[in-house]
Amino acid sequence: DVKVTQSSRYLVKRTGEKVFLECVQDMDHENMFWYRQDPGLGLRLIYFSYDVKMKEKGDIPEGYSVSREKKERFSLILESASTNQTSMYLCASSLEAGYYGIDEQFFGPGTRLTVL
Amino acid sequence: DAKTTQPPSMDCAEGRAANLPCNHSTISGNEYVYWYRQIHSQGPQYIIHGLKNNETNEMASLIITEDRKSSTLILPHATLRDTAVYYCILTGNQFYFGTGTSLTVIP
Repeated sequence: DVKVTQSSRYLVKRTGEKVFLECVQDMDHENMFWYRQDPGLGLRLIYFSYDVKMKEKGDIPEGYSVSREKKERFSLILESASTNQTSMYLCASSLEAGYYGIDEQFFGPGTRLTVL
Repeated sequence: DAKTTQPPSMDCAEGRAANLPCNHSTISGNEYVYWYRQIHSQGPQYIIHGLKNNETNEMASLIITEDRKSSTLILPHATLRDTAVYYCILTGNQFYFGTGTSLTVIP
């Protein structure tokens, strides 16, 4: 089975701190994604990566950056955390499905981040 | 970009079929329809996907209208463990998740 793991289930940080959220997948998937999930807003795509060192902005990239130095690892970085970044963060990965879209995504368990 | 519309909530009696609708009137020709569900406190889980034809797997069936402007996910015999939020998603270059349908299976 595909496994997507995230470094923490719960995280509490202070305003202004630099925050790293790590995601690792073990199935050699090309694509990796970071979403945030907020009540009433559903899942929103922050960034995705379709290859090592490649990244594309999603719907809400402001205030975030990402890093993909190795195929299996995709990091989400909050350069200076703010209270409005308190949220559930979900990582996902998928195989490359070519021109017509992305294959099914496998999600991690999520990291609930609280910024005080 | 094409988006989907789903009812915010539905109830279904245990053992009965759950039919979850999704409207995607602006779907483009190369976009697939994907369905996921999210059980409380877990990440979303893939259920099924399709392009034009109806699809069935061990979890569910997907019925896509001929004009592809809407689809229905069918859970043939709903159980209490099917209580979850169900997302209908279109794919082009990116996924667009909305708020989904919260399905409650009632004993």
